[in-house]
Amino acid sequence: AQSVSQHNHHVILSEAASLELGCNYSYGGTVNLFWYVQYPGQHLQLLLKYFSGDPLVKGIKGFEAEFIKSKFSFNLRKPSVQWSDTAEYFCAVIIGGSQGNLIFGKGTKLSVKP
Amino acid sequence: KAGVTQTPRYLIKTRGQQVTLSCSPISGHRSVSWYQQTPGQGLQFLFEYFSETQRNKGNFPGRFSGRQFSNSRSEMNVSTLELGDSALYLCASSLGGVRGQPQHFGDGTRLSIL
Repeated sequence: AQSVSQHNHHVILSEAASLELGCNYSYGGTVNLFWYVQYPGQHLQLLLKYFSGDPLVKGIKGFEAEFIKSKFSFNLRKPSVQWSDTAEYFCAVIIGGSQGNLIFGKGTKLSVKP
Repeated sequence: KAGVTQTPRYLIKTRGQQVTLSCSPISGHRSVSWYQQTPGQGLQFLFEYFSETQRNKGNFPGRFSGRQFSNSRSEMNVSTLELGDSALYLCASSLGGVRGQPQHFGDGTRLSIL
């Protein structure tokens, strides 16, 4: 079955540190890729998405992600994190012809120390 | 523009009962998807409705069902509740007409089974 793996369950960083959260998916065909963020007490929000074209995708709040097809990866990056980035981050995939079925990773909790 | 609205926000039921959850999508969105979020399993896809038809279905038992009305509002029903059904149930809507359109999530309904 198709799946999405997020390697880190909990990441703790100090402000201004660089961030990279790993995401790998298991599917050999066409995929649409997403990163969602859930701030404490808030609903899931879209950070960025990849459909096609430039594999380096810019999102909101200074986040970016790179789609590497050969590695089945879509890692999330931010050069300098802030305390307000403390949240849970979810990688998700829509595969093949499926339109409304997001397959989520288990999520990575990011804690940023001020 | 109003976001995705889910009602009720919290619900407490006992084993064997049934429950109906409601979701009003963003105006103009025709696709509504439902997800179950638990600490152990993470976010799992239940089903998706588009133009009143179920378009995709996840791996959940038949006790979980849904429907969509002509105004795109959707309801999810769970019958013969079990303790393991305790979860946050999330609804997401998207335009739905184009593959891979990002989904917008509601705040969820937290269901507790006693």
